Amino acid sequence: SAVISQKPSRDICQRGTSLTIQCQVDSQVTMMFWYRQQPGQSLTLIATANQGSEATYESGFVIDKFPISRPNLTFSTLTVSNMSPEDSSIYLCSVSGVGGYGYTFGSGTRLTVV
Amino acid sequence: QKEVEQNSGPLSVPEGAIASLNCTYSDRVSQSFFWYRQYSGKSPELIMSIYSNGDKEDGRFTAQLNKASQYVSLLIRDSQPSDSATYLCAVYPGVKAAGNKLTFGGGTRVLVKP
Repeated sequence: SAVISQKPSRDICQRGTSLTIQCQVDSQVTMMFWYRQQPGQSLTLIATANQGSEATYESGFVIDKFPISRPNLTFSTLTVSNMSPEDSSIYLCSVSGVGGYGYTFGSGTRLTVV
Repeated sequence: QKEVEQNSGPLSVPEGAIASLNCTYSDRVSQSFFWYRQYSGKSPELIMSIYSNGDKEDGRFTAQLNKASQYVSLLIRDSQPSDSATYLCAVYPGVKAAGNKLTFGGGTRVLVKP
């Protein structure tokens, strides 16, 4: 399975600022996914990052708040913009295996907004 | 109605006993099913995948799938304190399905008591 490097691992940010999270994969993958995990909750898909096209956002998530870049098949970034305390969560990037099997996750970014 | 449902627990199990976790899903055409283990503060780790009806065993873990009943389960034999974690059930509809993304249940917290 792919190895994913995600950074930063954690950050404490002031409200109103933005944070960009990076995700680097050790092999080329077609789709990368960004998830959010709020405290005590399960994983919620934010968007699917497609190389060469705009990201596909899930209901309740918008590009202005969570812009995503996917410049090549091994790298993606997620920006959390104009942060508020409600954005305090763990953000995870993920890639799928062949045929969608066995998604692998990065180590996550623990974001605290104060 | 949630797409993937799990009992949130906690499921308290004595050391050495069998832990039995259940998961139901709503999309009848789902093709692939996964169990992830997530330790507190860590990202999810894939521990089992199952694609056809019946049982699949891997070490102390057994996954069971019944597509007619839309039910998948995970058995952990000889439970150890190190098995204490949250277990996430995830369902994948298939590469040709609309919105082909991995959907997670809310997770079941397991506590193995020495």
